[in-house]
Amino acid sequence: GAGVSQSPSNKVTEKGKDVELRCDPISGHTALYWYRQSLGQGLEFLIYFQGNSAPDKSGLPSDRFSAERTGGSVSTLTIQRTQQEDSAVYLCASSLAEDRGLQDTQYFGPGTRLTVL
Amino acid sequence: ILNVEQSPQSLHVQEGDSTNFTCSFPSSNFYALHWYRWETAKSPEALFVMTLNGDEKKKGRISATLNTKEGYSYLYIKGSQPEDSATYLCASERNSGYALNFGKGTSLLVTP
Repeated sequence: GAGVSQSPSNKVTEKGKDVELRCDPISGHTALYWYRQSLGQGLEFLIYFQGNSAPDKSGLPSDRFSAERTGGSVSTLTIQRTQQEDSAVYLCASSLAEDRGLQDTQYFGPGTRLTVL
Repeated sequence: ILNVEQSPQSLHVQEGDSTNFTCSFPSSNFYALHWYRWETAKSPEALFVMTLNGDEKKKGRISATLNTKEGYSYLYIKGSQPEDSATYLCASERNSGYALNFGKGTSLLVTP
């Protein structure tokens, strides 16, 4: 079946501009995650959505970052007034998350490579 | 250990060699340990999710072990092939949340 998809695959923007990154999770997956990988760093957690619960925003690096998940499916990560340090690969993942007692695998999309000039 | 650490950072082996990498993670509040394989320009691919101390999982020529008491996991590749070339990521999941805490990965290059 279809995996997690993300768009665009690459985005080049100028410092100070706003950008929107899109994630389409696997159909039926209730949990959705955003991560990013900056140069030389490991994948860093940003935000987590689970069903209709309030999202866990504990990983967002600043108030310039926000994310929405509409209708429990598609998610958009918005970065306002982009800075050069925002340059990274932004990855989205989804999982079933039906039962905390199960080993819940997160399935990743191919990522969006963001370059801020 | 506060963060997830992986070693070595990179590895270059010949086709047919067997190899292994190490992942160290915080043992407190441990819930699960995940291994992923990430090829350039592709999505990270889930290899294993392990929760039990002493657990060992296998997928083809790749296997992994888990020691939750001392906080480490090993990933083994038997008879490496060029198509095994990728970055191998491990991530710990703590029982305080679902977010994965990733290491920086081990980059493996297998040459014919």
